[in-house]
Amino acid sequence: SQTIHQWPATLVQPVGSPLSLECTVEGTSNPNLYWYRQAAGRGLQLLFYSVGIGQISSEVPQNLSASRPQDRQFILSSKKLLLSDSGFYLCAGTGTTYNEQFFGPGTRLTVL
Amino acid sequence: QKEVEQDPGPLSVPEGAIVSLNCTYSNSAFQYFMWYRQYSRKGPELLMYTYSSGNKEDGRFTAQVDKSSKYISLFIRDSQPSDSATYLCASHTGGFKTIFGAGTRLFVKA
Repeated sequence: SQTIHQWPATLVQPVGSPLSLECTVEGTSNPNLYWYRQAAGRGLQLLFYSVGIGQISSEVPQNLSASRPQDRQFILSSKKLLLSDSGFYLCAGTGTTYNEQFFGPGTRLTVL
Repeated sequence: QKEVEQDPGPLSVPEGAIVSLNCTYSNSAFQYFMWYRQYSRKGPELLMYTYSSGNKEDGRFTAQVDKSSKYISLFIRDSQPSDSATYLCASHTGGFKTIFGAGTRLFVKA
């Protein structure tokens, strides 16, 4: 079965600092990968998705970027964090049928 | 109008009750329907996955899709305090993007 790993679990960063969140996938090959942000009490906002190595689609213009250097590795980055970047960041990947998404445990980011 | 609408609740029920969670959607091209359970400060966990209309049962959980009315339901029988969580419905057309509802918070009181 597929497992999504994310780290760190929690992160507190000052405004203007860089960000790098990593996600790795175990148990499947060539998954579609996704980064979501979830604000408290709100739904999932799709930030980026990738259908293959080096292929990134951006859904929301912002100061975040994503990269997929390997088939099962997805990275979310920022050069300078804003207060509004605080939230719960979730990585997800599709299963073998590409129809369901499985989520990692999430990273809670607080920008101060 | 959001593509997937879900009442945020909270919904509070006594232990042992039958719970009904519902979503509506607007995109008639949606073919795949999912329910996720999310505990506080955790990632969503896939509970149920159905294709097109009909019912699917898994233990105490039953997912129901009515494409004629664009209505998605999740029923939980014999609800337990451990079922207390936020439940997210989701749909997609078979493409890359899944559309999620905002989630319904459920509390099951012992």
